[in-house]
Amino acid sequence: NAGVTQTPKFQVLKTGQSMTLQCAQDMNHEYMSWYRQDPGMGLRLIHYSVGAGITDQGEVPNGYNVSRSTTEDFPLRLLSAAPSQTSVYFCASSYSRQKGAKNIQYFGAGTRLSVL
Amino acid sequence: KQEVTQIPAALSVPEGENLVLNCSFTDSAIYNLQWFRQDPGKGLTSLLLIQSSQREQTSGRLNASLDKSSGRSTLYIAASQPGDSATYLCAVSYSGAGSYQLTFGKGTKLSVIP
Repeated sequence: NAGVTQTPKFQVLKTGQSMTLQCAQDMNHEYMSWYRQDPGMGLRLIHYSVGAGITDQGEVPNGYNVSRSTTEDFPLRLLSAAPSQTSVYFCASSYSRQKGAKNIQYFGAGTRLSVL
Repeated sequence: KQEVTQIPAALSVPEGENLVLNCSFTDSAIYNLQWFRQDPGKGLTSLLLIQSSQREQTSGRLNASLDKSSGRSTLYIAASQPGDSATYLCAVSYSGAGSYQLTFGKGTKLSVIP
């Protein structure tokens, strides 16, 4: 198993550009989420999904869109990048609680995004 | 709003020393608490997960405890090694249907000096 795979690893954008951060998991996990990590702020939840076709907002959703058409993939879209979105982005996945699982979350290696 | 605090922010110890990292949270209605390790430029690796009904979990040289009533958790690392140098993050998840989000502390950066 590859676990949680994020692409790209690094990206530089200009203000106003759009892009999609990819996240894929091969563990058949129902739950997937996106976090951003900023110095002095810790990790904050952007969006999450409890299954295909179901998404919801986290703590800092503004400026980001998500969709979940398959169990494996959970892309994060920046429609018009802003310098405030410069950050490291992490995708995570886990089994849902309804399965009685421990809800251990597995993280990808991250995407380092700079918006100029 | 749940807040998670980790003290100290940084810690430097000589190799072989036993050490304790601290985590406190403001809302005791948690579902579970996880300790993660993050190496520079890398993702997070789950070390230990404690369910709200448990008091502690152990894995090798690591032992994590949970005291819900006081809103505290500790991560004990025995016989520290230079390879333990990393940032350690504590995160809690809420109780309640549909509440999956993790609330993270800002981490403790550990340096183990050979």
